[in-house]
Amino acid sequence: DAGVTQSPTHLIKTRGQQVTLRCSPKSGHDTVSWYQQALGQGPQFIFQYYEEEERQRGNFPDRFSGHQFPNYSSELNVNALLLGDSALYLCASSLVVGKFLAGGSGANVLTFGAGSRLTVL
Amino acid sequence: DAKTTQPNSMESNEEEPVHLPCNHSTISGTDYIHWYRQLPSQGPEYVIHGLTSNVNNRMASLAIAEDRKSSTLILHRATLRDAAVYYCILRGAQKLVFGQGTRLTINP
Repeated sequence: DAGVTQSPTHLIKTRGQQVTLRCSPKSGHDTVSWYQQALGQGPQFIFQYYEEEERQRGNFPDRFSGHQFPNYSSELNVNALLLGDSALYLCASSLVVGKFLAGGSGANVLTFGAGSRLTVL
Repeated sequence: DAKTTQPNSMESNEEEPVHLPCNHSTISGTDYIHWYRQLPSQGPEYVIHGLTSNVNNRMASLAIAEDRKSSTLILHRATLRDAAVYYCILRGAQKLVFGQGTRLTINP
């Protein structure tokens, strides 16, 4: 049973460019979350997608956008890259039982991918 | 988002038990306590979670204080493969809010 897969594994961009990162959730999962992890820091929540809609968003600018496809896979797009966007980008998937609620179920467990390492020069 | 406090680092010896503490004095009644760990060059990995009662699984045990304001992750016999950053997280809404975590070093 494949877990969460992310691509590409590593990539290098220059300031001002745009990047798209891809994520395939674990089989049977329907919710995808994205996290940014700077070197030496804990992961920071970017946003979450469920039923092809953004459901929650962390404190990230509009340069960060995403999409979820009918097969539950997801993309993270970052426009106008800055040096500070250099980080490990993590995708996590989970299964929402029943309708999504604002509070959600605290028991839900996330499965993370290995991440995409973005370097901005 | 409710916050957790963990020691920055801990060190233990191989084959000995490890107790990783976490304080969460602002926990709400519906928050679950989750533990994830992150091995070098990998994404975080789920370890265990609980609400009120102590929990055991094949990886670890979770001891939750009666007032729920603190918890302890217990690795019964640490191995070198347990060297990682361990995150204690309160989960109410769908998102996980990570802190800095505890970097666990295991000595052979």
